[in-house]
Amino acid sequence: KQEVTQIPAALSVPEGENLVLNCSFTDSAIYNLQWFRQDPGKGLTSLLLIQSSQREQTSGRLNASLDKSSGRSTLYIAASQPGDSATYLCAPFAGGTSYGKLTFGQGTILTVHP
Amino acid sequence: EAQVTQNPRYLITVTGKKLTVTCSQNMNHEYMSWYRQDPGLGLRQIYYSMNVEVTDKGDVPEGYKVSRKEKRNFPLILESPSPNQTSLYFCASRIWSGEDTGELFFGEGSRLTVL
Repeated sequence: KQEVTQIPAALSVPEGENLVLNCSFTDSAIYNLQWFRQDPGKGLTSLLLIQSSQREQTSGRLNASLDKSSGRSTLYIAASQPGDSATYLCAPFAGGTSYGKLTFGQGTILTVHP
Repeated sequence: EAQVTQNPRYLITVTGKKLTVTCSQNMNHEYMSWYRQDPGLGLRQIYYSMNVEVTDKGDVPEGYKVSRKEKRNFPLILESPSPNQTSLYFCASRIWSGEDTGELFFGEGSRLTVL
């Protein structure tokens, strides 16, 4: 069974800092990995999708990398802003014998202070 | 506009009264799935469907049923709801075509309270 761990569980930083959020997973047989953000009481917003054949994806101030063989993904946020405050979730999409299953990490709660 | 639509968005019901949460997507996606989100437990997958008439259990299927008779719809059925099914529910869909698995799109969520 896939297990997903996100570190740190919470992060509080001043505005302008560059951040690194980590996601590790135990089963490397995945189709892709997706990063989401969730604001309190709201739904999930997709940030980046990395296919298993890719090493990284970029969107604006966000960059996500994937090392499938070691079961790790990293979300890099450049020049953080208060509007980035949210919970960040990673979700590897299973292939292999568990294909179709999606497991979420517990998330990193990010607070960016003005 | 591409979207996943869930209904109802909010529901308060009583133990044992059957209910259905509907989910519909307009993107012609093959894959659809249901999740529940609980404080301290995070998001957990209930059921998923690869295509019409193809469904499989996620991590927490007990107490739920699903059906996929049409590509666009994937209802979640609670035959006899219990208080431990009080939760925030999300439906999601994505392209699934061989090795091509696209971005997962989520609905806005359905907050269910079972008294």
